[in-house]
Amino acid sequence: EADIYQTPRYLVIGTGKKITLECSQTMGHDKMYWYQQDPGMELHLIHYSYGVNSTEKGDLSSESTVSRIRTEHFPLTLESARPSHTSQYLCASSPSREGTKAFFGQGTRLTVV
Amino acid sequence: GENVEQHPSTLSVQEGDSAVIKCTYSDSASNYFPWYKQELGKGPQLIIDIRSNVGEKKDQRIAVTLNKTAKHFSLHITETQPEDSAVYFCAPFSGGGADGLTFGKGTHLIIQP
Repeated sequence: EADIYQTPRYLVIGTGKKITLECSQTMGHDKMYWYQQDPGMELHLIHYSYGVNSTEKGDLSSESTVSRIRTEHFPLTLESARPSHTSQYLCASSPSREGTKAFFGQGTRLTVV
Repeated sequence: GENVEQHPSTLSVQEGDSAVIKCTYSDSASNYFPWYKQELGKGPQLIIDIRSNVGEKKDQRIAVTLNKTAKHFSLHITETQPEDSAVYFCAPFSGGGADGLTFGKGTHLIIQP
């Protein structure tokens, strides 16, 4: 099974709060990704990283930010949560070799009230 | 970037029948063609993949076929079972451009008892 973990699994938070979604992998993968997904719907890439100190924005514009200070961790932060941020957030990682399998975490279901 | 289209968006089949999902891509440099399965409440997981030097690959009840000339590849599931009910995503990979791992919009496969 994949060694990639996301916490928390579920989060309900009030509007205006700052939140950080955690993602950790123990496989030593250089590439990591964040996707936003409404239940059963399309996966929208919002951020990705090629390695430490590398972060790129994805296809879907997002008010969130990410950091990659360590290979294992790729946290996503929302400075001020809004109801429009309510969604599922999925983290993934893959080896740096091109054309290889991606491993996904279980996701964080975020609800902003 | 890669333009990915997946059809159909929803597929309902009787248990025991076969299911076929098609993925069309735009980048002729694509060289890796995976299929992911996402069950309810979980992250996507790779179920089968194929590389550009191979036309077909089979793993028990699932198979993937590739037509590089026409730029499409398909997922075939035979003798469908209730546990095959899920959302399936393709993610053709070319390794160029943003390298952000783009997924198709997904196919809801429903297995009718």
